[in-house]
Amino acid sequence: DVKVTQSSRYLVKRTGEKVFLECVQDMDHENMFWYRQDPGLGLRLIYFSYDVKMKEKGDIPEGYSVSREKKERFSLILESASTNQTSMYLCASSTDSLSYNEQFFGPGTRLTVL
Amino acid sequence: AQSVTQLDSQVPVFEEAPVELRCNYSSSVSVYLFWYVQYPNQGLQLLLKYLSGSTLVKGINGFEAEFNKSQTSFHLRKPSVHISDTAEYFCAVSQRGGGNKLTFGTGTQLKVEL
Repeated sequence: DVKVTQSSRYLVKRTGEKVFLECVQDMDHENMFWYRQDPGLGLRLIYFSYDVKMKEKGDIPEGYSVSREKKERFSLILESASTNQTSMYLCASSTDSLSYNEQFFGPGTRLTVL
Repeated sequence: AQSVTQLDSQVPVFEEAPVELRCNYSSSVSVYLFWYVQYPNQGLQLLLKYLSGSTLVKGINGFEAEFNKSQTSFHLRKPSVHISDTAEYFCAVSQRGGGNKLTFGTGTQLKVEL
């Protein structure tokens, strides 16, 4: 089974803090994704990476950055957290071996910024 | 570009009743289609997918979906729901032969009542 893990299930931070969300997958997948999920808005893609050190902006990259130094790990960084970044953050991975882009998800991190 | 519309944000239903969750998509090219389920405070889990062939697709937990190309729909059905089916359901689409991203709908909250 593919396993995608996220470093924290719940996180509380203060406005202005630098926040790191970590995601690790154990299936040697090439592609990794960060989404945020908000009620009524579904999943919105923040950033994705198709290879080590490669990244592409998704639909809502403002206020976020990412890092992928190793194939199995994809980090989401909030340089200066703001209250409007309070949300559920979901990490996912997929392999190029499958043509249909099925994504495997982690359990999510619920971030609250006070 | 592709898009997904889930017409119902919430669907209440009594236990053992049938249910249909609607999904329509828009794309200029052929697509792969997915339904994911998210139980409370968890990540997304694949329910079923349509890749090709038979338009009726069976998934886990007794769910099935039918691909209708002329109506660009991929509605999810279950003949008899259980209280444990209470969750949020997301429809998603990816393009055949291009890109590695999924586009998600805004989700439908299924609430099963006794």
